[in-house]
Amino acid sequence: GAVVSQHPSWVICKSGTSVKIECRSLDFQATTMFWYRQFPKQSLMLMATSNEGSKATYEQGVEKDKFLINHASLTLSTLTVTSAHPEDSSFYICSARDPDTSNYGYTFGSGTRLTVV
Amino acid sequence: QKEVEQDPGPLSVPEGAIVSLNCTYSNSAFQYFMWYRQYSRKGPELLMYTYSSGNKEDGRFTAQVDKSSKYISLFIRDSQPSDSATYLCAMISTDSWGKFQFGAGTQVVVTP
Repeated sequence: GAVVSQHPSWVICKSGTSVKIECRSLDFQATTMFWYRQFPKQSLMLMATSNEGSKATYEQGVEKDKFLINHASLTLSTLTVTSAHPEDSSFYICSARDPDTSNYGYTFGSGTRLTVV
Repeated sequence: QKEVEQDPGPLSVPEGAIVSLNCTYSNSAFQYFMWYRQYSRKGPELLMYTYSSGNKEDGRFTAQVDKSSKYISLFIRDSQPSDSATYLCAMISTDSWGKFQFGAGTQVVVTP
């Protein structure tokens, strides 16, 4: 089945620094990837839709200058949390769909736990 | 009001019991309904999916959708300790592919 690899799985950074999270589709090409954020005991909330070769589409309330998304190839999307603050500490998850599968066949990455100290 | 409501639990059941989970939603445009299982600090994995109203069975899992009541359910028969996880319902409308609306997730604990 389709596999989405996310790296790193866990990162700790100092307040004010930037952190990059990678999301790769390993055995399929994904023109669109999605980035979610999940706070403890809360649901996954869609942050942005990443489109290969074009600008990402951000959900209302998500700062595009803070959460930079780059989808430079059909297999890689990156999320960079710039000038991270403790309130950015969360679980970030990406997802993508293998276009050769059904419309509901979205695969999620294993997630990245970000802790900002 | 959230688009998708799900009781966060925790729901504790003895091994072998039936686990009953449900979600309600408000957006009648949702057409695809999924259940995901998420272990602690891991990404969600797809368990079941259904389209439109009705029942779907897959091994020990049964998913039900009642679009008239905007209510979906997941039943796990013969529950095992390995079923202990958080279960999230999710749904999509055809005009927003990929933009899942998730429930908050129900934590399930199956005790030996």
